[in-house]
Amino acid sequence: DAKTTQPNSMESNEEEPVHLPCNHSTISGTDYIHWYRQLPSQGPEYVIHGLTSNVNNRMASLAIAEDRKSSTLILHRATLRDAAVYYCILRAPNYGGSQGNLIFGKGTKLSVKP
Amino acid sequence: DAGVTQSPTHLIKTRGQHVTLRCSPISGHKSVSWYQQVLGQGPQFIFQYYEKEERGRGNFPDRFSARQFPNYSSELNVNALLLGDSALYLCASSFNYYNQPQHFGDGTRLSIL
Repeated sequence: DAKTTQPNSMESNEEEPVHLPCNHSTISGTDYIHWYRQLPSQGPEYVIHGLTSNVNNRMASLAIAEDRKSSTLILHRATLRDAAVYYCILRAPNYGGSQGNLIFGKGTKLSVKP
Repeated sequence: DAGVTQSPTHLIKTRGQHVTLRCSPISGHKSVSWYQQVLGQGPQFIFQYYEKEERGRGNFPDRFSARQFPNYSSELNVNALLLGDSALYLCASSFNYYNQPQHFGDGTRLSIL
């Protein structure tokens, strides 16, 4: 399975944008890039995913490099509630295959200062 | 709509005992996955079920087993508990098993004494 590399931790100020990087140099052409986050004492929460084009939803934006070897999760205005561990995960579409599990790394722990 | 619900939220067992953890998926979701998360690590995949059939199994010993019922709820069973089984056990549901986002419950915290 292709692996991802993320910084262990990052800090941000409240109401400022946050850019969380992820490197995935061995990504295959059909791997989707997924982001999940885990708030303290909660299960992981789906944030966003994309294949090649940049993606936006109500929670965040996902910027994907042209060569797809890296991506960046963008939180446009960080709030204290965004303090969490953010996981970047590669997921094969696996249509008709036998496994659809997520492979989590250690993620990036984001701290947000008031 | 109700999210993924897991029971119990906390559990204390002793070595050698058996435990059953339960999960109710989001209504309409047919796939359930189980993950183990030890302190300081990301979740590790244990099992995935879809339409009552096992679709995937992670690198866990045979002491771990699971099943999915006709109403798509699921149980995770662990026999002969070891101290190292102490962890947060997470259940996730999704509409299908291959490309839909997974929705997680808040887990069962299992402590082994």
